[in-house]
Amino acid sequence: DIQLTQSPSFLSASVGDRVTITCRASQGISSYLAWYQQKPGKAPKLLIYAASTLQSGVPSRFSGSGSGTEFTLTISSLQPEDFATYYCQQLNSYPPTFGQGTKVEIK
Amino acid sequence: EVQLVESGGGLVQPGGSLRLSCAASGFTFSSYWMHWVRQAPGKGLVWVSRINSDGSSTSYADSVKGRFTISRDNAKNTLYLQMNSLRAEDTAVYYCARESLVEWLVPDYWGQGTLVTVSS
Repeated sequence: DIQLTQSPSFLSASVGDRVTITCRASQGISSYLAWYQQKPGKAPKLLIYAASTLQSGVPSRFSGSGSGTEFTLTISSLQPEDFATYYCQQLNSYPPTFGQGTKVEIK
Repeated sequence: EVQLVESGGGLVQPGGSLRLSCAASGFTFSSYWMHWVRQAPGKGLVWVSRINSDGSSTSYADSVKGRFTISRDNAKNTLYLQMNSLRAEDTAVYYCARESLVEWLVPDYWGQGTLVTVSS
């Protein structure tokens, strides 16, 4: 199975900050990567797919980049509703594995 | 509006069985591949199973292969997960999710989940 490692696992930031989360794959996955946001007690929400394509309805402050083994999710200006846990997922091969998550909390 | 509503979770003893359901509405259910993904309490997301649009093709995580069966009834717009020989490590919130039509394997809408607790 392809392993995904997110860094950091925990991030403390303030409203308005620029935030970057990294996801590294144990082998190349081209651009077959998605990012999800999950708030406590809620279902995950798709933010980005194909590494950099914004899902319909997702604010433009979210962006994704990368290919191969290294990917980033960037929030350009953190908003109060963005405090959540973020997961990456590889879709290159079965099983479609997830990273361990990055929790973004208020500083 | 796309809606996925899971049901059927609960407390079951080790070795027992449970069938989860996911009622879909707001889209043409029969056109979409569907997934089950689970999340143990306080842990991350783990993919469980996937079924194609007409139910003729399925795939499973190794951890549930031979014990879980995914199926669907397109006439009822409902997805199922039959879980047998349950273990403590199967304790989790189980989410059903719809796969995107534009990107292979990507779940684009998720239900709110149903909690399965395996304990004596």
